[in-house]
Amino acid sequence: DAKTTQPTSMDCAEGRAANLPCNHSTISGNEYVYWYRQIHSQGPQYIIHGLKNNETNEMASLIITEDRKSSTLILPHATLRDTAVYYCIVRDLYTGTASKLTFGTGTRLQVTL
Amino acid sequence: GAVVSQHPSWVICKSGTSVKIECRSLDFQATTMFWYRQFPKQSLMLMATSNEGSKATYEQGVEKDKFLINHASLTLSTLTVTSAHPEDSSFYICSARSGISNQPQHFGDGTRLSIL
Repeated sequence: DAKTTQPTSMDCAEGRAANLPCNHSTISGNEYVYWYRQIHSQGPQYIIHGLKNNETNEMASLIITEDRKSSTLILPHATLRDTAVYYCIVRDLYTGTASKLTFGTGTRLQVTL
Repeated sequence: GAVVSQHPSWVICKSGTSVKIECRSLDFQATTMFWYRQFPKQSLMLMATSNEGSKATYEQGVEKDKFLINHASLTLSTLTVTSAHPEDSSFYICSARSGISNQPQHFGDGTRLSIL
């Protein structure tokens, strides 16, 4: 699976949009981009995933560049409860059940008052 | 959304004890389940992958005789830490995925294991 690069940490004011970048310059055509977050002492929570089109759900939006070498997770109105470590992961679907999520170090997002 | 339940949430036991952790997918059939371990201030590290009815595939450096994994049904997998020692103290997290290729993995809330 391709590796990803994320900033170590970011701050965001409550109520503002949080934009979390991720570089995945070696991504292959078979690989989806997944975003998870982990709030302290809990298991990771799935946020969103996509292949090449932008995606939006009730939690966030995912913007993937046309060349697919980077993406941005957008939390439109960050709250204190969004403080967490956010992981950007690419996963190859065509290896079937052997396909697995490999976690990097993620971005620690701190939402402040 | 999909729910994965993990039990127990935390356990404290004496060195040499074996500890079993259960992972259940509550509202979907989990073709594949994964077990991760996370040490303080570190990221999740995959320990093993199991498919229902098959032997688990362990990551390099993970002792299969120490970490016994059973995935006997499409909704239940267990991890048994045998003869646990203080260095096995960690946060163990399970994850499950259905057989549909682009569906995400969902994670349990983890088990904090402390070996005295």
